[in-house]
Amino acid sequence: NAGVMQNPRHLVRRRGQEARLRCSPVKGHSHVYWYRQLPEEGLKFMVYLQKENIIDESGMPKERFSAEFPKEGPSILRIQQVVRGDSAAYFCASSPRSRSYNSPLHFGNGTRLTVT
Amino acid sequence: EDKVVQSPLSLVVHEGDTVTLNCSYEVTNFRSLLWYKQEKKAPTFLFMLTSSGIEKKSGRLSSILDKKELFSILNITATQTGDSAVYLCAVPAQGGSEKLVFGKGTKLTVNP
Repeated sequence: NAGVMQNPRHLVRRRGQEARLRCSPVKGHSHVYWYRQLPEEGLKFMVYLQKENIIDESGMPKERFSAEFPKEGPSILRIQQVVRGDSAAYFCASSPRSRSYNSPLHFGNGTRLTVT
Repeated sequence: EDKVVQSPLSLVVHEGDTVTLNCSYEVTNFRSLLWYKQEKKAPTFLFMLTSSGIEKKSGRLSSILDKKELFSILNITATQTGDSAVYLCAVPAQGGSEKLVFGKGTKLTVNP
């Protein structure tokens, strides 16, 4: 069973470019979560999606950031006009249902975004 | 605002030592507390705790929760170099939210 797959593992962008981060959940999982980790910090929640719906985006910056989880294909986290402060590791997790707190999240290996 | 505070922020020990990592939390409507181990990549799940006083154990790792004093500890006995990692503690946010609130982690270095 493949776990959560994220790609690319590393992404380098110049300031002002767009970054697209992909997350393929575990097969059969319809819930996806994105977290961001800045250096020396814990993970910070960004957004929670179910298939085709954004359920909670309270952790996502209002501008330049967007997320989707289409009916077919991976979840995408898109950052437009990247700035140096966007440099971080972005982790995705999936689950088969909304968490009842009896089933912990399992994370992908992350995408390390570097903005030069 | 929900908060998770871990201590110490970093710790250096020798192989064979026993370590105790601390996690205190403030959250309305506590539901559970989770520990993760993060090496270079994905955080990997260690324990989920929901009840006070019941120790969870996996090999040399164990963890316990105190809901009255709002903290948890993670113990690692007979440490090995492979235990070197950042250990993260998290709680589900209040209000039925799906999101986890993480502490900054404890960076453990085990030297041979």
